[in-house]
Amino acid sequence: NAGVMQNPRHLVRRRGQEARLRCSPMKGHSHVYWYRQLPEEGLKFMVYLQKENIIDESGMPKERFSAEFPKEGPSILRIQQVVRGDSAAYFCASSPSGADQPQHFGDGTRLSIL
Amino acid sequence: QKEVEQNSGPLSVPEGAIASLNCTYSDRVSQSFFWYRQYSGKSPELIMSIYSNGDKEDGRFTAQLNKASQYVSLLIRDSQPSDSATYLCAVNNQGGKLIFGQGTELSVKP
Repeated sequence: NAGVMQNPRHLVRRRGQEARLRCSPMKGHSHVYWYRQLPEEGLKFMVYLQKENIIDESGMPKERFSAEFPKEGPSILRIQQVVRGDSAAYFCASSPSGADQPQHFGDGTRLSIL
Repeated sequence: QKEVEQNSGPLSVPEGAIASLNCTYSDRVSQSFFWYRQYSGKSPELIMSIYSNGDKEDGRFTAQLNKASQYVSLLIRDSQPSDSATYLCAVNNQGGKLIFGQGTELSVKP
């Protein structure tokens, strides 16, 4: 499968637990972006990463959220001490380079907080 | 003023008609523009990208860009019930991140 791979597709956590969302970009893509879609709201940018570098994290909440894209392995979006308001669909996208390249989206991770 | 604005709809058109979806953006330095289609419960799917003023056609889809008016549109010819979805306009301000509009819900009636 040459598409953007996200896992898990669905994730259920209790308040206070940690959530880890994974994203493997399309083959040949080195730029990864994370977006969040809250119920009945639009897609909101969170963070833009290249291998081992965070390029733009202007959309990340200041606390509890972090992201990485290591030299080896998938990109990880980590949410610590989850709260009910974190329930959303989290989408990862990738592009071959940055700037104005089209971004292709994965199927997303639906995070539910009990 | 929102950075990217779309009519939320729903926009309802009969099968076979032309659906016209509109989008305006506020940042004049924006250079690249995209239309995505999102079915309910699914992920956004790239339909069109456009970078320069004028029209760009791909099958039944035509994207139109007018940078002076800060306006981008998507026309869907010969609309089909399978085109029923939410259409998202996205703008890239050269920094890599996409700024999305709220989306326009399109319903194509058989």
